[in-house]
Amino acid sequence: GAVVSQHPSWVICKSGTSVKIECRSLDFQATTMFWYRQFPKQSLMLMATSNEGSKATYEQGVEKDKFLINHASLTLSTLTVTSAHPEDSSFYICSARAGTGLGYEQYFGPGTRLTVT
Amino acid sequence: KQEVTQIPAALSVPEGENLVLNCSFTDSAIYNLQWFRQDPGKGLTSLLLIQSSQREQTSGRLNASLDKSSGRSTLYIAASQPGDSATYLCAVGGGGADGLTFGKGTHLIIQP
Repeated sequence: GAVVSQHPSWVICKSGTSVKIECRSLDFQATTMFWYRQFPKQSLMLMATSNEGSKATYEQGVEKDKFLINHASLTLSTLTVTSAHPEDSSFYICSARAGTGLGYEQYFGPGTRLTVT
Repeated sequence: KQEVTQIPAALSVPEGENLVLNCSFTDSAIYNLQWFRQDPGKGLTSLLLIQSSQREQTSGRLNASLDKSSGRSTLYIAASQPGDSATYLCAVGGGGADGLTFGKGTHLIIQP
């Protein structure tokens, strides 16, 4: 149990275009989903937290108008990178938490590698 | 702001050795701590989750301890194997953040 999927697993896009990444909890309902990104040889950094039906909360330094997050259902959250630029190239990983308590485990998706040319 | 530090940054040992990876965090008000494994170009594999009320967790050859008051955790790997080669990440939940705060990882190489 506790499987999280992401789609696509990798994507290449041209500078200036938008890219949507999907994160799904396959066998549980996720009240909260998180989006992280990882630059080469760096660790994962939290970008934003989204609760189903609410606006996402973004970490300091993350542009909310550039990284649009939608969490319309308990099993799906999407991250849209708008007007992507080469510096947005990164590994994007989502996670989902089943419970409402902060001590609940987060289950991670396999990640999406975005390359902007 | 929570900060997580992992030592060493890299480690290379011969197969069969027991080894310890270290993790420290600055804010002891955490809810839990997780150890992950990440293979090159891949996502995360959760290894162990320790809740703040627990002192340790074990899974197979892995044992993780947590000393919340001193802000430290260790991951002990017994009888290391080449297949254990990966980057090991420590992450804490809480300490002012809802998501996880990750360390930079320990890049582990087990020599056959």
